[in-house]
Amino acid sequence: SQQGEEDPQALSIQEGENATMNCSYKTSINNLQWYRQNSGRGLVHLILIRSNEREKHSGRLRVTLDTSKKSSSLLITASRAADTASYFCATDEGTGNQFYFGTGTSLTVIP
Amino acid sequence: KAGVTQTPRYLIKTRGQQVTLSCSPISGHRSVSWYQQTPGQGLQFLFEYFSETQRNKGNFPGRFSGRQFSNSRSEMNVSTLELGDSALYLCASSATAQGPYEQYFGPGTRLTVT
Repeated sequence: SQQGEEDPQALSIQEGENATMNCSYKTSINNLQWYRQNSGRGLVHLILIRSNEREKHSGRLRVTLDTSKKSSSLLITASRAADTASYFCATDEGTGNQFYFGTGTSLTVIP
Repeated sequence: KAGVTQTPRYLIKTRGQQVTLSCSPISGHRSVSWYQQTPGQGLQFLFEYFSETQRNKGNFPGRFSGRQFSNSRSEMNVSTLELGDSALYLCASSATAQGPYEQYFGPGTRLTVT
């Protein structure tokens, strides 16, 4: 079973608006990562946040992590049509590269 | 640097057959992980190899196996295919021996079992 659950499952916004998606997970983690996937293709790594970090920025992306609530959020500012994709959070809780992915949020940015 | 490559990109097999998928990681990366993605179950971890050793294994039946070669290239094999094995199989490579692990994914192999 999956570790994470994303919310909402689907999100549709106008170009230029901000998009926020949330991820909740079940157990203690070492790190949390966000990935983007375009239409059934490979995943692209967006950002990694460690369990002892609370906020991280990368370009138009802002990620927050609240380990007490076991949740994370991804904010994409000033969205573009090219941001249309599915977004997944992934957590690792043990050793090695065993990641648990969430269910994903499908984002549609309307030009 | 070239990215992660997976071959073949598309594959159609018949139930009961076996299949081998290949993954070439980014040069210098020693960790290779495999994932299965289906509409119903989402992305599920299959196994991870590091320096030719299986380091982690997901909750899949023994029909799913893998290996890694000395050049870090990896293969996964599925024997006695079932209709439910139809999925996108993704391979990811990582450079670091210890966390945190930033994974780089290949384009995937889409397997259809008929």
